[in-house]
Amino acid sequence: GESVGLHLPTLSVQEGDNSIINCAYSNSASDYFIWYKQESGKGPQFIIDIRSNMDKRQGQRVTVLLNKTVKHLSLQIAATQPGDSAVYFCAESGAGSARQLTFGSGTQLTVLP
Amino acid sequence: NAGVTQTPKFQVLKTGQSMTLQCAQDMNHEYMSWYRQDPGMGLRLIHYSVGAGITDQGEVPNGYNVSRSTTEDFPLRLLSAAPSQTSVYFCASSYGTDNEQFFGPGTRLTVL
Repeated sequence: GESVGLHLPTLSVQEGDNSIINCAYSNSASDYFIWYKQESGKGPQFIIDIRSNMDKRQGQRVTVLLNKTVKHLSLQIAATQPGDSAVYFCAESGAGSARQLTFGSGTQLTVLP
Repeated sequence: NAGVTQTPKFQVLKTGQSMTLQCAQDMNHEYMSWYRQDPGMGLRLIHYSVGAGITDQGEVPNGYNVSRSTTEDFPLRLLSAAPSQTSVYFCASSYGTDNEQFFGPGTRLTVL
């Protein structure tokens, strides 16, 4: 079946640096993509989303880039802070009467002091 | 608003026992769903509902039942627990199928 995958399972960055978390997807029919942050022992928390008619979307300190040609999604975090340490999941869904999110396996981001 | 609430937070069952995981939301969301998360993995959809009285299966529905009698509540039932159902279970809700999903804090279930 279709799947959403991540290039790297772990990522360590220095505090203050920018972080880039990548995600590959294989379902060309997917038209909605979301990034979630999950801290230890908690439920996933929405960060930002993007629809397939967009290439880029910005939030507070975060930017999501979508490259439909190569089916690639990335999350950029500016000026990474210790509170950004968490597991980050990308998820995708296709159009339909009831969207089903397919999650990737996650990337553990560790912010070094 | 309390958002999405789940009870219990932790549960230990013996193989063959049944139980219900509770999920409630006070945001008047139509769409609700249940996921399970196994160690080192992403979330997998078990069942979902697009409104009261309407439910459907997700990716991994076997061994689980759901019902949606009200907009607020979406319980998940394990009919005969198996060790393979040891996992963390998350409930989520959203205004519609095309919107951000809000997740509950999770229920950590262990089946011995």
